[in-house]
Amino acid sequence: GQNIDQPTEMTATEGAIVQINCTYQTSGFNGLFWYQQHAGEAPTFLSYNVLDGLEEKGRFSSFLSRSKGYSYLLLKELQMKDSASYLCAPMDSNYQLIWGAGTKLIIKP
Amino acid sequence: GAVVSQHPSRVICKSGTSVKIECRSLDFQATTMFWYRQFPKQSLMLMATSNEGSKATYEQGVEKDKFLINHASLTLSTLTVTSAHPEDSSFYICSARDAIGGDLITLFGPGTRLTVT
Repeated sequence: GQNIDQPTEMTATEGAIVQINCTYQTSGFNGLFWYQQHAGEAPTFLSYNVLDGLEEKGRFSSFLSRSKGYSYLLLKELQMKDSASYLCAPMDSNYQLIWGAGTKLIIKP
Repeated sequence: GAVVSQHPSRVICKSGTSVKIECRSLDFQATTMFWYRQFPKQSLMLMATSNEGSKATYEQGVEKDKFLINHASLTLSTLTVTSAHPEDSSFYICSARDAIGGDLITLFGPGTRLTVT
């Protein structure tokens, strides 16, 4: 079957760095997306990885290892506004995004 | 830039009435749009895939006669919740794919919060 595994909740301090891990199992693979979702709002696109390696985009970076079925989202210089849920969503062979429950990130001052 | 819009953002309706939600792609054409539902503190649940000019493909357990989807053009898809009941109260979100930098990126609309009284 298809499966996403992320920590349910993480806590970090403002200004620090946090890494949110994601392991996945899908029927085929066409890349992996990370989205940010604030409470009561729709998800917003953060990153897309289709090849192995690290993609850096400002304070956010995303890493992918296809052979390990593993990705992580790295957030640097954390700000209070980064408090949100972070959704790891791989795309399967039918180009469908597979959704898990996401990781709720709590930022403390 | 490419954006997905949704209207209305919030709607309150009485039980038994129908509600239409519009999803539009701005600055790009979307042959395929997706409709999701999300209950509080739960993950996104795909309801259906909307294809321009053809019938929508519904996920298992989603009543196609209750959730009517029409993808009339390359920039517009609508979801109509017919004979709404309180249990249909939820956050409905549409998404569409656009090619950005050679990659197909899924963009989400801002969502519509439906409350059925």
